[in-house]
Amino acid sequence: GDSVTQMEGPVTLSEEAFLTINCTYTATGYPSLFWYVQYPGEGLQLLLKATKADDKGSNKGFEATYRKETTSFHLEKGSVQVSDSAVYFCALLTQGGSEKLVFGKGTKLTVNP
Amino acid sequence: SQTIHQWPATLVQPVGSPLSLECTVEGTSNPNLYWYRQAAGRGLQLLFYSVGIGQISSEVPQNLSASRPQDRQFILSSKKLLLSDSGFYLCALGQGHEKLFFGSGTQLSVL
Repeated sequence: GDSVTQMEGPVTLSEEAFLTINCTYTATGYPSLFWYVQYPGEGLQLLLKATKADDKGSNKGFEATYRKETTSFHLEKGSVQVSDSAVYFCALLTQGGSEKLVFGKGTKLTVNP
Repeated sequence: SQTIHQWPATLVQPVGSPLSLECTVEGTSNPNLYWYRQAAGRGLQLLFYSVGIGQISSEVPQNLSASRPQDRQFILSSKKLLLSDSGFYLCALGQGHEKLFFGSGTQLSVL
């Protein structure tokens, strides 16, 4: 079945460091891809998405590009801030008659000042 | 704006006890509602979804059940909890799967 694999955490960075969180997927067809973020004490919220190959989703300085050839959707940010500390989830939207979101395990990011 | 109320935030229950987690939403009508669970070391797993009152679809066989007695209320239940039911439970709403809004979650520990 459809699945998402993202890098294991936790990830600890210093402020202004470069961030990459890897995400690869296995799916039938061409699913939409998402990154969700959960800040401490809050619910999950959509960070960015891409609906077709070569699309780039971006928000709050984060970017991810839908790479069909490598079945990847890696999350990147050039300069992280303490406020970016959160758990990040990669997800795909399955296609077909019963669409649903399939999530990765989540990667906890801690940014130190 | 859409709001999801989910409670309690944390819950500790003994094995064999019943469970009832409630989720209510505001600011929308006839939403699709979802229950997700994140068990330790695993991704978010869809447990149930509902497209309307009394309409429940189960994604995986398990010890849990769900009900939707009102348009904006979605309840997750169990008659007898198992250790394996421990996890983080998230209620979500959406119009179409692409725009999902999540509640703050309930951390359930079954001892």
